[in-house]
Amino acid sequence: EAGVTQFPSHSVIEKGQTVTLRCDPISGHDNLYWYRRVMGKEIKFLLHFVKESKQDESGMPNNRFLAERTGGTYSTLKVQPAELEDSGVYFCASSLLGGPGTIYFGEGSWLTVV
Amino acid sequence: GESVGLHLPTLSVQEGDNSIINCAYSNSASDYFIWYKQESGKGPQFIIDIRSNMDKRQGQRVTVLLNKTVKHLSLQIAATQPGDSAVYFCAEKAGGSYIPTFGRGTSLIVHP
Repeated sequence: EAGVTQFPSHSVIEKGQTVTLRCDPISGHDNLYWYRRVMGKEIKFLLHFVKESKQDESGMPNNRFLAERTGGTYSTLKVQPAELEDSGVYFCASSLLGGPGTIYFGEGSWLTVV
Repeated sequence: GESVGLHLPTLSVQEGDNSIINCAYSNSASDYFIWYKQESGKGPQFIIDIRSNMDKRQGQRVTVLLNKTVKHLSLQIAATQPGDSAVYFCAEKAGGSYIPTFGRGTSLIVHP
């Protein structure tokens, strides 16, 4: 069974540009999460989808970040326009709705804004 | 605010030793705890979890201990191997929440 997959794995963009990160959760997982880890710091929650609905987006830093999950399958996270402080690794994770709570992470999308 | 934290940011051990990674939490409503391992360039990988109705759970070479009285969680790795070198994160979830909260992480370095 395929795990959580993320694309691109690495991205280097200039300040002011736009980047879109994609996440494909484990098949059948209705819960989808986005997290971010800035160098040396904790993994911080960004938002949570249940199917196509945003359940909690309290961790989104500002309106330059837009997450979507049309159709309740894959999700995208767009950063527009990117700023230097957006650099970090963006993790996507998924879990079963009503399951034991185990959350499985993707390998991350490593974003560098220069 | 309530948070999850770690006592030591870096732990160095010799191959074959036992490792203990500690984690303190302050949210008394937390009832589910998870340990993740993140190797360089990879995403966090689930290691072991424990619910608040337990105080110990064992896996393969790993044991998680939960002390609810002092709100402390530990991960014990037996016979540590170089492949265990990684950053270890504890995470907690409060009852009814879908969102695990992570601490900063502890870097485990295993010397051959």
